[in-house]
Amino acid sequence: QVQLVQSGAEVKKPGASVKVSCKASGYRFTNYAIGWVRQAPGQGLEWMGWIATYNDNRKYAQNVQGRVAMTTDAATTTAYMELRSLTSDDTAVYYCARVSPPFTSSYYYFDLWGQGTLVTVSS
Amino acid sequence: QSGLTQPPSASGTPGQRISISCSGSTSNIGSYTVNWYQQVPGTAPQLLIYKTDQRPSGVPDRFSGSKSGTSASLAISGLQSEDEAVYYCASWSDSLNGVLFGGGTKLTVL
Repeated sequence: QVQLVQSGAEVKKPGASVKVSCKASGYRFTNYAIGWVRQAPGQGLEWMGWIATYNDNRKYAQNVQGRVAMTTDAATTTAYMELRSLTSDDTAVYYCARVSPPFTSSYYYFDLWGQGTLVTVSS
Repeated sequence: QSGLTQPPSASGTPGQRISISCSGSTSNIGSYTVNWYQQVPGTAPQLLIYKTDQRPSGVPDRFSGSKSGTSASLAISGLQSEDEAVYYCASWSDSLNGVLFGGGTKLTVL
């Protein structure tokens, strides 16, 4: 079954870091990049960036640049998104999504989504 | 950069045809294709339309997309209660060098 399964919900204190995992199955992991999108409570979707699983190229959105790190592990077909120096503004559901078409680094769309990981930042 | 512009809400009755607009600029919609995502409350978004007017397998042909200049539209014909969801448009953005989303349109089936 083609799917992306994310890690469970997290509660973090301001200033801490969080690392969300996204395990892919049912397709060739290294053919498709992985993107990350977040959604604050009651708000719309916000693109955070993407990482190519086939050559480690990556691009981060300006509003999280410097605080975010996206990595992949081809051996376990898992992608990771780590966000540092958390504030309450980072409280959101974080989604990983498969980038299509394959081997694309721009002008792409997300054709497969994980179930989402709620990250709550609270003192 | 602010997102693509969508109406916050839309509504229709079962069987009706409705349209949702998405407005952008020459640095996004005007230069690139548009994608649409459907998000049922409490669930992850799903791809509904890609490359402006293409439907992924499994998406009914009641859903269609189009684009003209710097604006795009999603049309839903034969509206059904299961179509109640939030619909997001998205396009590549030169200024963002990434994906730009619309604010979302909540569709209510009366």
